[in-house]
Amino acid sequence: DAGVTQTPRHEVAEKGQTIILKCEPVSGHNDLFWYRQTKIQGLELLSYFRSKSLMEDGGAFKDRFKAEMLNSSFSTLKIQPTEPKDSAVYLCASSSNSQNTLYFGAGTRLSVL
Amino acid sequence: GDSVTQTEGLVTLTEGLPVMLNCTYQTIYSNPFLFWYVQHLNESPRLLLKSFTDNKRTEHQGFHATLHKSSSSFHLQKSSAQLSDSALYYCALNAYKVIFGKGTHLHVLP
Repeated sequence: DAGVTQTPRHEVAEKGQTIILKCEPVSGHNDLFWYRQTKIQGLELLSYFRSKSLMEDGGAFKDRFKAEMLNSSFSTLKIQPTEPKDSAVYLCASSSNSQNTLYFGAGTRLSVL
Repeated sequence: GDSVTQTEGLVTLTEGLPVMLNCTYQTIYSNPFLFWYVQHLNESPRLLLKSFTDNKRTEHQGFHATLHKSSSSFHLQKSSAQLSDSALYYCALNAYKVIFGKGTHLHVLP
């Protein structure tokens, strides 16, 4: 079985650019999460989808971060415009329901110069 | 809102000694799920153990934890640390959405 697939694995952007990160959840999973991971803050929830519906849009991350789930097998996270403080690892995770185990992708390491 | 607190950012101990990583949580939901995830260097987090049953011990791979709703705690324990246990450990709460504590780095010395 394929796990969660994230692309690209690494992304380097100039300040002010728009970047799009991609995620394919485990087939059949209904819940999809986007997290930002940093050493200081740990795992911060950016967005949460259930059956393609946006359930959580990440509060403080709303202004420049936008996640979409166009179909049950594909999600994107757009950051526009990027800022140096966005440098982090972005993790996508999926689960079969809200009470179940999260399966994480390998992550995208973003560096904003 | 919901929150998870892990009081230790770093725990360093010698191989063979017992491990205890603290986790407390806040939620208005009466039946939360609590999880421990482990993340080794250059890997993604993966589930270590989970529970939703009050006062029942859950075990996996030598680690154990008991959910205590009375004290809103879900501490992770192991009787004897191994070098391979060195990793980042996250406590997580699922009441509606999954939120994580800030993580505890466990560093086991020989």
